[in-house]
Amino acid sequence: EVHLLQSGGGLVQPGGSLRLSCEASGFSFSNYAMTWVRQAPGKGLEWLSAISPSANTRYHADAVRGRFSISRDNSKNTLYLQMDSLRAEDTAVYYCAKNLAEGLATYEYWGQGTLVTVSS
Amino acid sequence: EIVLTQSPGTLSLSPGERATFSCRASRSVSGNYLAWFQQRPGQAPRLLIYGASSRATGVPDRFSGSGSGTDFTLTISRLEPEDFAVYSCQHYDTSSPLTFGQGTRLEIK
Repeated sequence: EVHLLQSGGGLVQPGGSLRLSCEASGFSFSNYAMTWVRQAPGKGLEWLSAISPSANTRYHADAVRGRFSISRDNSKNTLYLQMDSLRAEDTAVYYCAKNLAEGLATYEYWGQGTLVTVSS
Repeated sequence: EIVLTQSPGTLSLSPGERATFSCRASRSVSGNYLAWFQQRPGQAPRLLIYGASSRATGVPDRFSGSGSGTDFTLTISRLEPEDFAVYSCQHYDTSSPLTFGQGTRLEIK
């Protein structure tokens, strides 16, 4: 059974940093692209970042490019999102997700979500 | 960027009725790379439909998707109590930044 277990959220001051983790199990992690998506309170879903299976290709949305960085450790079956220079508007529930298949950037499996609150 | 506009914003129906959700793209979605998700309060999204019309694993056949180009539809043929939730579309045409629609809330009438 596929499982994505997230950790690392919490309260952080504006300008601060956090690192989110997403530990995968139940599938061959190194064979799949992975993605981060967020949802601000009462808002819709927002695609943030994606990384190829071997980590040689990474994509970031304009809203977070230069501040957030996606990475992965295939030896640990773990996906990461390093978030720097956090702003109040980054307050959201953050989800990791497994790409459906090669070349299909939609998501059949999601983590449980982790809340990030940026506030002084 | 492809902007996805969903309508209506809220749909009020009763169990047993038919629900129809619309997702309109600002330009054509190549390959029909359009997905639909269901999201209940406090839960992660659940993939229902991908490729505009293919049901994801374990999704009941009362859910169906259709459309192509810029106009897509999700239909629930006969509503069950557990279907009342928010429904969102997503394009995954990688020629453009990936985006989601703003969602349609399905509420019990």
